[in-house]
Parts: sequence; structure tokens; C-alpha cells
Amino acid sequence: AQSVTQPDIHITVSEGASLELRCNYSYGATPYLFWYVQSPGQGLQLLLKYFSGDTLVQGIKGFEAEFKRSQSSFNLRKPSVHWSDAAEYFCAVGAADSWGKLQFGAGTQVVVTP
Amino acid sequence: EAQVTQNPRYLITVTGKKLTVTCSQNMNHEYMSWYRQDPGLGLRQIYYSMNVEVTDKGDVPEGYKVSRKEKRNFPLILESPSPNQTSLYFCASSLYSGTDTQYFGPGTRLTVL
Repeated sequence: AQSVTQPDIHITVSEGASLELRCNYSYGATPYLFWYVQSPGQGLQLLLKYFSGDTLVQGIKGFEAEFKRSQSSFNLRKPSVHWSDAAEYFCAVGAADSWGKLQFGAGTQVVVTP
Repeated sequence: EAQVTQNPRYLITVTGKKLTVTCSQNMNHEYMSWYRQDPGLGLRQIYYSMNVEVTDKGDVPEGYKVSRKEKRNFPLILESPSPNQTSLYFCASSLYSGTDTQYFGPGTRLTVL
């Protein structure tokens, strides 16, 4: 079974600074990896996903993530954050042998200061 | 507008009183799923459905029932709610499976007293 860990519960970043959110997964084969964002009071929205191919994935809102098989990681990055990036971010992992299931991490809350 | 709708958005009930949270999508998606969100635990999958009349357990199915009699609807049923089911519930749908992009509803905040 797959699992995912987000080591950082809470991150505070200044507007204009760079942001990196960590995600580590556990799965025997190549996983399907996702980052979703939840703005306050909203449902979740997909930022980006990785299935195969190029390990650097571009997403919406200027985010990117890099899949590193050797480190079992899928970290999310943004070069310069905006106040509107304040939200909760969830990493998720799916598996080719279990098309219906999706495991989410506990989430990282991002606060953006002026 | 393509969307997933949930009703009600907020519900306060008492222990043991059966309730249903409805979920409907207008995107002709095959796959639908229910999650609960609790602080510090992220989202945990309750049940999912790959197609009409096909449902399967997620990670936390105890105390919940679902049915998928038509493609667009996927209600979540709590036959005898308990306080530990107080949570924020999300319904989601995607084209074919859990590994496709999932589109989430706005959430239902349930309080069981």
C-alpha cells in the first residue's frame, strides 16, 4: 500500500520569497503523485501531477515539483510567493495497481507575510 | 458550469439520527469518491466508485454507506452517526479513476452531538 508524508505542518514565508514544500512517499513501484491546494473555506484544486517522463513538472499558478526516485520525494516549489498563495497544500499518491485509491498527506499550512 | 455539488453544506445532528449527504456532478465522470478531512490527518478516503453500481472501501469506511445508482450522484449515508464522525466531508469526481485529476465539491461540515 502507498503512503505519503509531509514533514512540515506549518510554513511561514515572506511575500516575494521562494517556497519549497516537502513530500515523501512510500510505494514499491512508480507512483502517481499529485499536489493539491486548498484555499480557506474551499475545496481542493489540483496544482500539478506526475505520472512518468520528465521529473520536473510544471503546474498552475507558477508552481513546479520535482520527482526524485532515489529520495522518494516530490517537493513543490515556487520561486516567488504572492499573498494569494496562502493556503493548505496537500501531497497525494496513487498507484497503478489500485486505480481507485488516493492517499493524501496531512497537509502543510502556508502563511504569507507582507 | 462544470461542478461538484454537495448538500447540505452545514449540518448539526445528534447521535444515532440517520443522515444522508448528497453529492452530484455534471461532468459525466465515471469515478466519484468521498473523503473526510480532520486537523492533522489530511484527507482520508471513505469510499469510492469506479462506475455505476461499483463501489469499494477506502481507508476509513466504518460507519458509512454509499450507493451509486446513477452516474451523476454518489450519496454518503451515516446510518447511526457518532461524535467521532464530526468532520469536514468532501466529495470528488474524475473522469475514470483516482489517479485522474479529481474535482472537489465545496465540502460539508458535519457536527454530531
